[in-house]
Amino acid sequence: AQTVTQSQPEMSVQEAETVTLSCTYDTSESNYYLFWYKQPPSRQMILVIRQEAYKQQNATENRFSVNFQKAAKSFSLKISDSQLGDTAMYFCAFMKGGNQGAQKLVFGQGTRLTINP
Amino acid sequence: DAGVIQSPRHEVTEMGQEVTLRCKPISGHNSLFWYRQTMMRGLELLIYFNNNVPIDDSGMPEDRFSAKMPNASFSTLKIQPSEPRDSAVYFCASSLGTLGNQPQHFGDGTRLSIL
Repeated sequence: AQTVTQSQPEMSVQEAETVTLSCTYDTSESNYYLFWYKQPPSRQMILVIRQEAYKQQNATENRFSVNFQKAAKSFSLKISDSQLGDTAMYFCAFMKGGNQGAQKLVFGQGTRLTINP
Repeated sequence: DAGVIQSPRHEVTEMGQEVTLRCKPISGHNSLFWYRQTMMRGLELLIYFNNNVPIDDSGMPEDRFSAKMPNASFSTLKIQPSEPRDSAVYFCASSLGTLGNQPQHFGDGTRLSIL
């Protein structure tokens, strides 16, 4: 079974600073995908970024980027130039790959990020 | 385009009552997932369907929970009888799951409170 661990329950930074959220996972699969989802107070689950395990290049989406270390099974999220709207719970998630159709997401416990003005 | 639509957004009911949560996936998506979010257990999968067929229901807590997907555009999650420990936020998500690598899109969730 796969597990996802987020070791930082809460983080707080000042607006415009850079912040990095940690995530580690455990799996014996060789083909998989990793995701970061954001859950603001409105409760929506919003996809932030995703990474295919077979790609060495780290994914980037505007101010959001990941540091994917496959051997270490680490998948951290970096938010640059943080904004007040980035305040949310952030969940790291794992999904097994393959050609058998859709697979379930396995989530970490989340990191509550607060951006202070 | 419309996202995943869940109803109701909030549900408050008394213990022992039947509860039905509804979900309309994104049009064209062929995979549908039901997740539950609680403070104690975080986000966990209850059940998911590919092409309307249940694939993995190992997360369904007990026989009081049942889920159906009668067609590609509708799914229900039913709890009968409900108990206070079922109080949680229930999310439905859908994806174009043909290749197993597509992200899941979530609805806004149903906050369920069992008194």
